[in-house]
Amino acid sequence: QVQLVESGGGVVQPGRSLRLSCATSGFTFSTYGMHWVRQAPGKGLEWVAVISNDGNNNYYADSVKGRFTISRDNSKNTLYLQMNSLRAEDTAVYSCARDTIFDVWGQGTTVTVSS
Amino acid sequence: EVVMTQSPATLSVSPGARATLSCKASLSVTNNLAWYQQKPGQAPRLLIYGASTRAAGIPARFSGSGSGTDFTLTISRLQSEDFAVYYCLQYNNWYSFGQGTKLEIK
Repeated sequence: QVQLVESGGGVVQPGRSLRLSCATSGFTFSTYGMHWVRQAPGKGLEWVAVISNDGNNNYYADSVKGRFTISRDNSKNTLYLQMNSLRAEDTAVYSCARDTIFDVWGQGTTVTVSS
Repeated sequence: EVVMTQSPATLSVSPGARATLSCKASLSVTNNLAWYQQKPGQAPRLLIYGASTRAAGIPARFSGSGSGTDFTLTISRLQSEDFAVYYCLQYNNWYSFGQGTKLEIK
């Protein structure tokens, strides 16, 4: 079945970096655009970034532009999010989601930015 | 940036009754609007896309309507498993979620 599994979260100090991964299975990864979405504790959903199916186009929310980089490896069926210059307000559960309509979601990985 | 505003923030409805949730966009998103259900500790689940098309496996008691800037999610004959938080998402001009409506048992 279609599955998205995030990993790479943890506790990190402000200003440091972290790389998240989203391993996929059960569908042809290379034919779908993919997203990262985050949810701060007790808050709503916030779209973070999107990447095209071939990896040639990507776009970001203003809140992360210039600090986060979305990428993918279609040979490994895996999506990534490189997060640099992390801030306390980046603390959230980060989830990957498939396609323009976010039809499949992973369970998320928790990122805590704290000194 | 398209701002999505959901109302009410919390909706109290009795099981078996109908719930009507609203989502308004700050500018037209045509019909590029989706609805999601999220239960505590779970990932969001796609309910509706294209403003009115039910996703695979979604019961017929869930229906979506609207276009342009005003959208509605209607849940008829509420069942216990329907009490959750509901989000709308516009995907016409990049992407933005509403702040959510919590549907609780009255």
